[in-house]
Amino acid sequence: ETGVTQSPTHLIKTRGQQVTLRCSSQSGHNTVSWYQQALGQGPQFIFQYYREEENGRGNFPPRFSGLQFPNYSSELNVNALELDDSALYLCASSTFQGPSSYEQYFGPGTRLTVT
Amino acid sequence: AQSVTQPDIHITVSEGASLELRCNYSYGATPYLFWYVQSPGQGLQLLLKYFSGDTLVQGIKGFEAEFKRSQSSFNLRKPSVHWSDAAEYFCAVGANFGNEKLTFGTGTRLTIIP
Repeated sequence: ETGVTQSPTHLIKTRGQQVTLRCSSQSGHNTVSWYQQALGQGPQFIFQYYREEENGRGNFPPRFSGLQFPNYSSELNVNALELDDSALYLCASSTFQGPSSYEQYFGPGTRLTVT
Repeated sequence: AQSVTQPDIHITVSEGASLELRCNYSYGATPYLFWYVQSPGQGLQLLLKYFSGDTLVQGIKGFEAEFKRSQSSFNLRKPSVHWSDAAEYFCAVGANFGNEKLTFGTGTRLTIIP
């Protein structure tokens, strides 16, 4: 069984730039969720993708957007980066139906630093 | 909306001693509850989950948690900690409807002393 993978591991960007983070879901999972974890905080839900469409969104502005591909992998795009976007970005995969949809398996994360 | 409170920011325990990490939740319906562990610079690993049924659930690495509806709590326990248990622990609650997502607490950092 292949776990959740994310790339890149680390990234440094300048304020105002755009960034794309990538995630491959665990085998057998069809749903991908993205979370932002600021230093010293718990993860905050950004959004979830199922069948290539956004299925739920947290309190994040539209400059945070995503994609899901037919193979269930996903991208998180952030435009017009701000200093406060510096965080660990976590991708999690799950099934879609029933209680197991809340049982999410996380990747190692991408550490984004905005200067 | 649901919320999760982990009252202890940092706990220090001697190796071999017992451990209890507290978690309280606020949610109007039957919650789905989870404990995750995060080692420095790593992603989150699922330790255990509660969906329904037996209120004492067993997880990996010798951890267990007990759901107490009357106290809105889901505390994590381990009878004897090992140095490798040093990490950040997060409690999370899953919603029953609407946006399917997890809401996390702010975490408890566990330090193990020899």
